[in-house]
Amino acid sequence: AQKVTQAQTEISVVEKEDVTLDCVYETRDTTYYLFWYKQPPSGELVFLIRRNSFDEQNEISGRYSWNFQKSTSSFNFTITASQVVDSAVYFCALSGIIQGAQKLVFGQGTRLTINP
Amino acid sequence: NAGVTQTPKFQVLKTGQSMTLQCAQDMNHNSMYWYRQDPGMGLRLIYYSASEGTTDKGEVPNGYNVSRLNKREFSLRLESAAPSQTSVYFCASRADVWGNQPQHFGDGTRLSIL
Repeated sequence: AQKVTQAQTEISVVEKEDVTLDCVYETRDTTYYLFWYKQPPSGELVFLIRRNSFDEQNEISGRYSWNFQKSTSSFNFTITASQVVDSAVYFCALSGIIQGAQKLVFGQGTRLTINP
Repeated sequence: NAGVTQTPKFQVLKTGQSMTLQCAQDMNHNSMYWYRQDPGMGLRLIYYSASEGTTDKGEVPNGYNVSRLNKREFSLRLESAAPSQTSVYFCASRADVWGNQPQHFGDGTRLSIL
């Protein structure tokens, strides 16, 4: 079964603090893809990053970084020096084969609030 | 650069009424998806269409029907709306259902069933 767990329902930090959003996944596929999406208060879903199961190299994009560890089935997301504009709901998702087709399975989301 | 366009953005229905949510994409994508988003549950797949002319059930298809009208358009129909279908509905598209490309989402339709 494919499953994504984001155990942190809500996180609240003060601006400029670093914050890490956890994502743990379950899959039996050997080839799969992991994604992070951002949903700001305006409601749209914004794609942030994709990582395939063969590439465990960490990635950094500005203040954002992602730590993929197959050994612990985790794909965590860190925001460095957080800003108020980072306030959003963040979703981790797994793309794998379900019932013969590749589908996205989403975690429950983590609501991140950055306070000034 | 419209991407994925959903209409309407908001709708209020009475129990038992029917409604069709429209979705169109201009990226020449092959696969399209309908999700619902409920508090604390993330996004759940209702139906998807791997290519023009095909549709398949997702995780929560009961109470819904879909039509892949052409490559651009994928509609979701509620035949007899129920309060449990109050949710935010998202349409998404991807270039290829088998690929690793990210899905691109519309802005959502907020639907309330009274």
